[in-house]
Amino acid sequence: NAGVMQNPRHLVRRRGQEARLRCSPMKGHSHVYWYRQLPEEGLKFMVYLQKENIIDESGMPKERFSAEFPKEGPSILRIQQVVRGDSAAYFCASSPSSEAFFGQGTRLTVV
Amino acid sequence: EDQVTQSPEALRLQEGESSSLNCSYTVSGLRGLFWYRQDPGKGPEFLFTLYSAGEEKEKERLKATLTKKESFLHITAPKPEDSATYLCAVQAPGSNSGYALNFGKGTSLLVTP
Repeated sequence: NAGVMQNPRHLVRRRGQEARLRCSPMKGHSHVYWYRQLPEEGLKFMVYLQKENIIDESGMPKERFSAEFPKEGPSILRIQQVVRGDSAAYFCASSPSSEAFFGQGTRLTVV
Repeated sequence: EDQVTQSPEALRLQEGESSSLNCSYTVSGLRGLFWYRQDPGKGPEFLFTLYSAGEEKEKERLKATLTKKESFLHITAPKPEDSATYLCAVQAPGSNSGYALNFGKGTSLLVTP
């Protein structure tokens, strides 16, 4: 049973470009969460999704960030017009209920 | 606002030297307290979930305990491979957030031979 798969593992973008991060949850898991980990900071909740629905996006910046979890395919976290401050590790977690299992993360570097 | 505070920030132990990591939390209506291990460049790895005061769970050299205000992760006779950052997180009530976690900043543990 494959774990939570995230790709790419590393992503470099120039300021102003778009970043697309993908997350395939564990088989049978219908809940997906995205977290961001800034250097020297703890993991911060961004958004909670179920298939075709955004349930809670209270932790996501209002501008430039969006997330989706379509009926088919992986969940996508999209960051438009990236800035240096977006450089961080982005983790996806999936769960069937209360226990969340994390992917290996995507490390975004904005140059 | 829910708060999770972990101490110490960093801990260096000799192999075999037992110790405890602390996680203090303030949350109204705790639904669960979680411990994760994170190695450099990797995602958090699930260790334990605790749901009510007095509960204890063990896995190899690790034992997690929970009171109404804090949780401890006890490490007995640690080995160098136990070196990692240990993260504590709480799950608060809130139907909109599902099971979203509020994390502390972690304790970075180094075990030397």
